[in-house]
Amino acid sequence: DADVTQTPRNRITKTGKRIMLECSQTKGHDRMYWYRQDPGLGLRLIYYSFDVKDINKGEISDGYSVSRQAQAKFSLSLESAIPNQTALYFCATSDSTIRETQYFGPGTRLLVL
Amino acid sequence: DAKTTQPTSMDCAEGRAANLPCNHSTISGNEYVYWYRQIHSQGPQYIIHGLKNNETNEMASLIITEDRKSSTLILPHATLRDTAVYYCIVMNYGGSQGNLIFGKGTKLSVKP
Repeated sequence: DADVTQTPRNRITKTGKRIMLECSQTKGHDRMYWYRQDPGLGLRLIYYSFDVKDINKGEISDGYSVSRQAQAKFSLSLESAIPNQTALYFCATSDSTIRETQYFGPGTRLLVL
Repeated sequence: DAKTTQPTSMDCAEGRAANLPCNHSTISGNEYVYWYRQIHSQGPQYIIHGLKNNETNEMASLIITEDRKSSTLILPHATLRDTAVYYCIVMNYGGSQGNLIFGKGTKLSVKP
């Protein structure tokens, strides 16, 4: 969905490096989410934010941090990347009144060597 | 702690209806059934949701049994572009988190 964009789309990094994945949305939604997907598995929630001043941990937040810089922007950081963080990362947004209908970005494919 | 059970994979002939089942025997009264799909490595896409009545939109129909313990997603005329993993998700509408819990889904292969 072009209303939710993620940068970069692909990234290769080395163990121990700090990297940031960015998500922007033009849907005007107040809620934003970061998920990760490993091969053959469903998505798992890392962090979510209900508005600019609200940050919540999801199922697998260890090793990650997030920043909600504005309503439209939600970034995910890996402070010190490790190989088992190699995965496909998705950002999603939803409206507070229809929060279960989420709109996903195209994903960022991350490889940690 | 999966709330739903879906077959791992299904095949469907192009142009025929695809019927994807989902069991959610522990569903509670305020939980909705949501369906999403994910076409190869793309972001998941919302399809439809329902509480107890059957629902239809431009993409699909959702049939929920009277006891709400199972449901079926119907793609009336499957095309090759409908090949994807389909996720059935049970969720408390208006829940505090609003995050979707994805299982492994059903891999639907539409064949010519």
